[in-house]
Amino acid sequence: EVQLVESGGGLVKPGGSLRLSCAASGFTFSSYSMNWVRQAPGKGLEWVSSISSSSSYIYYADSVKGRFTISRDNAKNSLYLQMNSLRAEDTAVYYCARSNSGSYWFDPWGQGTLVTVSS
Amino acid sequence: AIRMTQSPSSFSASTGDRVTITCRASQGISSYLAWYQQKPGKAPKLLIYAASTLQSGVPSRFSGSGSGTDFTLTISCLQSEDFATYYCQQYYSYPITFGQGTRLEIK
Repeated sequence: EVQLVESGGGLVKPGGSLRLSCAASGFTFSSYSMNWVRQAPGKGLEWVSSISSSSSYIYYADSVKGRFTISRDNAKNSLYLQMNSLRAEDTAVYYCARSNSGSYWFDPWGQGTLVTVSS
Repeated sequence: AIRMTQSPSSFSASTGDRVTITCRASQGISSYLAWYQQKPGKAPKLLIYAASTLQSGVPSRFSGSGSGTDFTLTISCLQSEDFATYYCQQYYSYPITFGQGTRLEIK
Protein backbone atom coordinates (compact mmCIF):
# COMPACT_ATOMS: atom_id res chain seq x y z
CA GLU A 1 0.00 0.00 0.00
CA VAL A 2 1.29 3.43 -0.94
CA GLN A 3 1.65 5.49 2.21
CA LEU A 4 2.95 8.94 3.14
CA VAL A 5 3.35 9.89 6.78
CA GLU A 6 4.26 13.42 7.81
CA SER A 7 5.85 14.37 11.11
CA GLY A 8 7.60 17.28 12.75
CA GLY A 9 4.76 19.74 13.16
CA GLY A 10 4.14 21.65 16.35
CA LEU A 11 4.00 25.04 18.03
CA VAL A 12 6.79 27.49 17.20
CA LYS A 13 7.29 31.18 17.89
CA PRO A 14 7.40 33.75 15.10
CA GLY A 15 10.88 33.85 13.63
CA GLY A 16 11.54 30.28 14.66
CA SER A 17 12.35 27.19 12.61
CA LEU A 18 10.86 23.76 12.12
CA ARG A 19 11.73 20.77 9.96
CA LEU A 20 8.96 18.60 8.58
CA SER A 21 9.51 15.06 7.39
CA CYS A 22 7.49 12.79 5.16
CA ALA A 23 8.18 9.06 5.24
CA ALA A 24 7.18 7.20 2.09
CA SER A 25 6.47 3.51 1.68
CA GLY A 26 4.84 1.11 -0.75
CA PHE A 27 6.37 2.55 -3.92
CA THR A 28 9.72 3.32 -5.53
CA PHE A 29 10.28 6.70 -3.91
CA SER A 30 13.23 7.63 -6.12
CA SER A 31 11.05 7.47 -9.25
CA TYR A 32 8.59 10.17 -8.24
CA SER A 33 8.51 13.89 -7.73
CA MET A 34 7.31 15.02 -4.33
CA ASN A 35 5.48 18.05 -3.09
CA TRP A 36 4.34 20.02 -0.06
CA VAL A 37 0.88 21.58 0.04
CA ARG A 38 -0.54 23.47 3.01
CA GLN A 39 -3.96 24.45 4.26
CA ALA A 40 -4.48 27.23 6.77
CA PRO A 41 -7.29 26.63 9.29
CA GLY A 42 -10.64 26.93 7.53
CA LYS A 43 -8.99 27.92 4.24
CA GLY A 44 -8.22 26.36 0.88
CA LEU A 45 -5.23 24.49 -0.44
CA GLU A 46 -1.96 26.28 -1.20
CA TRP A 47 0.92 24.65 -3.05
CA VAL A 48 4.23 25.25 -1.23
CA SER A 49 7.06 23.44 -3.00
CA SER A 50 7.98 20.64 -5.40
CA ILE A 51 11.14 18.58 -5.93
CA SER A 52 11.90 16.26 -8.81
CA SER A 53 12.90 12.64 -8.35
CA SER A 54 16.64 13.30 -8.41
CA SER A 55 16.41 16.75 -6.79
CA SER A 56 17.43 18.37 -10.07
CA TYR A 57 14.39 20.61 -10.20
CA ILE A 58 13.01 22.50 -7.21
CA TYR A 59 10.19 25.03 -7.13
CA TYR A 60 8.75 27.24 -4.41
CA ALA A 61 5.72 29.42 -3.94
CA ASP A 62 6.63 33.09 -3.70
CA SER A 63 5.17 33.16 -0.19
CA VAL A 64 7.90 30.82 1.13
CA LYS A 65 10.82 31.44 -1.25
CA GLY A 66 14.00 32.25 0.66
CA ARG A 67 12.59 30.92 3.94
CA PHE A 68 11.69 27.28 3.20
CA THR A 69 13.92 24.57 1.72
CA ILE A 70 12.64 21.32 0.27
CA SER A 71 14.92 18.29 0.11
CA ARG A 72 14.76 14.53 -0.13
CA ASP A 73 16.82 11.47 0.74
CA ASN A 74 16.04 8.70 -1.71
CA ALA A 75 18.06 6.20 0.32
CA LYS A 76 15.78 6.84 3.29
CA ASN A 77 12.56 7.22 1.28
CA SER A 78 12.04 10.57 2.93
CA LEU A 79 11.01 14.09 1.99
CA TYR A 80 11.78 17.15 4.09
CA LEU A 81 10.74 20.76 4.44
CA GLN A 82 13.04 23.04 6.41
CA MET A 83 11.05 26.09 7.47
CA ASN A 84 12.89 29.15 8.76
CA SER A 85 11.79 32.66 9.72
CA LEU A 86 8.30 31.37 10.39
CA ARG A 87 5.39 33.77 10.40
CA ALA A 88 1.88 33.60 11.80
CA GLU A 89 0.56 33.22 8.25
CA ASP A 90 2.54 29.97 7.89
CA THR A 91 0.17 28.35 10.38
CA ALA A 92 -1.41 25.46 8.50
CA VAL A 93 -1.69 21.74 8.08
CA TYR A 94 1.19 20.69 5.83
CA TYR A 95 0.62 17.75 3.50
CA CYS A 96 3.18 15.88 1.48
CA ALA A 97 1.96 14.46 -1.80
CA ARG A 98 3.38 12.37 -4.61
CA SER A 99 3.32 13.25 -8.29
CA ASN A 100 4.60 11.73 -11.48
CA SER A 101 7.52 13.50 -13.09
CA GLY A 102 6.08 15.92 -15.61
CA SER A 103 2.50 15.46 -14.47
CA TYR A 104 1.97 17.44 -11.35
CA TRP A 105 -1.30 16.24 -10.05
CA PHE A 106 -1.06 14.98 -6.49
CA ASP A 107 -1.79 11.42 -5.46
CA PRO A 108 -1.71 10.20 -2.80
CA TRP A 109 -1.51 12.68 0.05
CA GLY A 110 -0.29 12.13 3.56
CA GLN A 111 -2.53 12.75 6.56
CA GLY A 112 -0.89 16.10 7.26
CA THR A 113 0.98 17.66 10.15
CA LEU A 114 -0.12 20.86 11.88
CA VAL A 115 2.29 23.76 12.20
CA THR A 116 1.22 26.58 14.51
CA VAL A 117 3.23 29.79 14.58
CA SER A 118 2.30 31.83 17.62
CA SER A 119 3.91 33.65 20.50
CA ALA B 1 0.50 33.10 -11.58
CA ILE B 2 -2.53 31.45 -13.12
CA ARG B 3 -5.65 32.20 -11.12
CA MET B 4 -8.24 29.44 -10.75
CA THR B 5 -11.79 30.51 -9.98
CA GLN B 6 -14.45 28.02 -8.95
CA SER B 7 -18.17 28.56 -8.95
CA PRO B 8 -20.21 28.36 -6.95
CA SER B 9 -18.25 28.71 -3.70
CA SER B 10 -20.90 26.69 -1.93
CA PHE B 11 -24.31 25.27 -2.58
CA SER B 12 -26.86 22.82 -1.25
CA ALA B 13 -28.15 19.76 -3.05
CA SER B 14 -30.04 16.58 -2.34
CA THR B 15 -29.09 12.95 -2.65
CA GLY B 16 -29.77 11.83 -6.20
CA ASP B 17 -29.24 15.27 -7.73
CA ARG B 18 -26.94 15.92 -10.67
CA VAL B 19 -24.50 18.69 -9.83
CA THR B 20 -21.91 20.60 -11.79
CA ILE B 21 -19.01 22.63 -10.45
CA THR B 22 -17.17 25.03 -12.72
CA CYS B 23 -13.51 26.00 -12.69
CA ARG B 24 -12.11 28.80 -14.81
CA ALA B 25 -8.43 29.51 -15.42
CA SER B 26 -7.15 33.04 -15.94
CA GLN B 27 -5.24 31.81 -18.99
CA GLY B 28 -5.23 28.70 -21.12
CA ILE B 29 -3.96 25.57 -19.40
CA SER B 30 -4.75 22.99 -22.09
CA SER B 31 -5.97 19.94 -20.14
CA TYR B 32 -3.56 20.26 -17.23
CA LEU B 33 -6.29 20.24 -14.62
CA ALA B 34 -7.07 18.00 -11.66
CA TRP B 35 -10.04 17.76 -9.29
CA TYR B 36 -9.89 16.78 -5.62
CA GLN B 37 -12.44 15.95 -2.95
CA GLN B 38 -11.78 16.83 0.68
CA LYS B 39 -13.81 15.86 3.70
CA PRO B 40 -13.45 17.61 7.07
CA GLY B 41 -10.26 16.66 8.88
CA LYS B 42 -9.03 14.53 6.00
CA ALA B 43 -6.45 14.92 3.26
CA PRO B 44 -7.63 15.73 -0.25
CA LYS B 45 -8.34 12.82 -2.55
CA LEU B 46 -7.63 12.89 -6.29
CA LEU B 47 -10.76 12.37 -8.38
CA ILE B 48 -9.80 13.41 -11.91
CA TYR B 49 -6.62 14.40 -13.73
CA ALA B 50 -5.90 15.60 -17.25
CA ALA B 51 -9.29 17.33 -17.06
CA SER B 52 -11.32 14.20 -17.78
CA THR B 53 -9.43 11.06 -16.72
CA LEU B 54 -11.03 9.32 -13.77
CA GLN B 55 -8.55 8.21 -11.12
CA SER B 56 -8.58 4.48 -10.43
CA GLY B 57 -11.12 3.55 -7.79
CA VAL B 58 -13.20 6.72 -8.14
CA PRO B 59 -16.90 6.02 -8.82
CA SER B 60 -18.07 6.56 -12.39
CA ARG B 61 -20.71 9.06 -11.27
CA PHE B 62 -17.83 11.57 -11.23
CA SER B 63 -16.79 13.04 -14.55
CA GLY B 64 -14.74 15.96 -15.77
CA SER B 65 -14.64 17.94 -18.96
CA GLY B 66 -13.15 21.02 -20.54
CA SER B 67 -9.90 22.37 -21.94
CA GLY B 68 -8.25 25.73 -22.29
CA THR B 69 -9.80 27.95 -19.64
CA ASP B 70 -13.17 26.39 -18.75
CA PHE B 71 -13.65 23.12 -16.91
CA THR B 72 -16.45 21.28 -15.14
CA LEU B 73 -16.76 18.54 -12.57
CA THR B 74 -20.07 16.70 -12.70
CA ILE B 75 -21.51 14.29 -10.17
CA SER B 76 -24.31 12.47 -11.93
CA CYS B 77 -26.25 11.16 -8.95
CA LEU B 78 -25.23 12.53 -5.56
CA GLN B 79 -24.61 10.05 -2.81
CA SER B 80 -24.40 10.89 0.88
CA GLU B 81 -20.64 10.36 0.87
CA ASP B 82 -20.19 13.02 -1.83
CA PHE B 83 -20.97 15.93 0.46
CA ALA B 84 -17.55 17.51 0.78
CA THR B 85 -15.41 20.35 -0.55
CA TYR B 86 -14.07 20.13 -4.08
CA TYR B 87 -10.96 21.82 -5.46
CA CYS B 88 -9.60 22.23 -8.94
CA GLN B 89 -5.85 22.54 -9.52
CA GLN B 90 -3.84 23.59 -12.55
CA TYR B 91 -0.47 22.04 -13.21
CA TYR B 92 0.23 23.72 -16.53
CA SER B 93 2.87 25.97 -15.04
CA TYR B 94 4.49 26.96 -11.77
CA PRO B 95 3.36 28.16 -9.38
CA ILE B 96 0.82 25.38 -9.16
CA THR B 97 -2.49 26.90 -8.12
CA PHE B 98 -5.80 25.69 -6.71
CA GLY B 99 -9.27 27.05 -6.95
CA GLN B 100 -10.75 28.43 -3.74
CA GLY B 101 -12.95 25.38 -3.27
CA THR B 102 -16.62 24.54 -3.64
CA ARG B 103 -18.42 23.33 -0.53
CA LEU B 104 -21.25 20.95 -1.33
CA GLU B 105 -23.79 20.68 1.47
CA ILE B 106 -26.87 18.61 2.06
CA LYS B 107 -30.15 20.41 1.39
